[in-house]
Amino acid sequence: TQTVSQSDAHVTVFEGDSVELRCNYSYGGSIYLSWYIQHHGRGLQFLLKYYSGNPVVQGVNGFEAEFSKSDSSFHLRKASVHWSDSAVYFCAVRPNNNRIFFGDGTQLVVKP
Amino acid sequence: AQTIHQWPVAEIKAVGSPLSLGCTIKGKSSPNLYWYWQATGGTLQQLFYSITVGQVESVVQLNLSASRPKDDQFILSTEKLLLSHSGFYLCACWTDQAPLFGEGTRLSVL
Repeated sequence: TQTVSQSDAHVTVFEGDSVELRCNYSYGGSIYLSWYIQHHGRGLQFLLKYYSGNPVVQGVNGFEAEFSKSDSSFHLRKASVHWSDSAVYFCAVRPNNNRIFFGDGTQLVVKP
Repeated sequence: AQTIHQWPVAEIKAVGSPLSLGCTIKGKSSPNLYWYWQATGGTLQQLFYSITVGQVESVVQLNLSASRPKDDQFILSTEKLLLSHSGFYLCACWTDQAPLFGEGTRLSVL
């Protein structure tokens, strides 16, 4: 079964800390990768994407992610988190078809 | 820039009543469109997708149906709601190598 795995259901850090949210996938071939943030009760807001080129991509609000073909990963990072970064983060993978698969999400809590 | 508008923002409906949720996309022609369902605090389940007018593919039906009556419109519906239909419904459009989401519709079935 092909999957998108976000290994950490919950991550808690303090404001100003760095954070990495992990995403691994099992799809082969050319794939589209993206990350989203969902604040409570809201829709999904786009953070960043990767399809080809430089494996480190920059997104909104200081987020970046790094693609690794060898690890089948697309981890999201931020150097210094703010309390407003507290939300659920979803990794998305689109293989070469019309399906888009999501991980189960990682709840990020940023403590003051 | 593309925008997605979902309606209504929220619904409270009785079990057994009909439902129609809508999604309109502006700024992109012939978009690939998707419906997702999210249980409270849960994962995203893809329900349907459509690549063109009049064509809809079912991924997981959950006693729901979808239609694409116009290029920029995607409708999710059922004639008889179940309690299990409660949740958050999200419409998405494939654009610029990533999906763009609407703000969602919160559905409570009582």
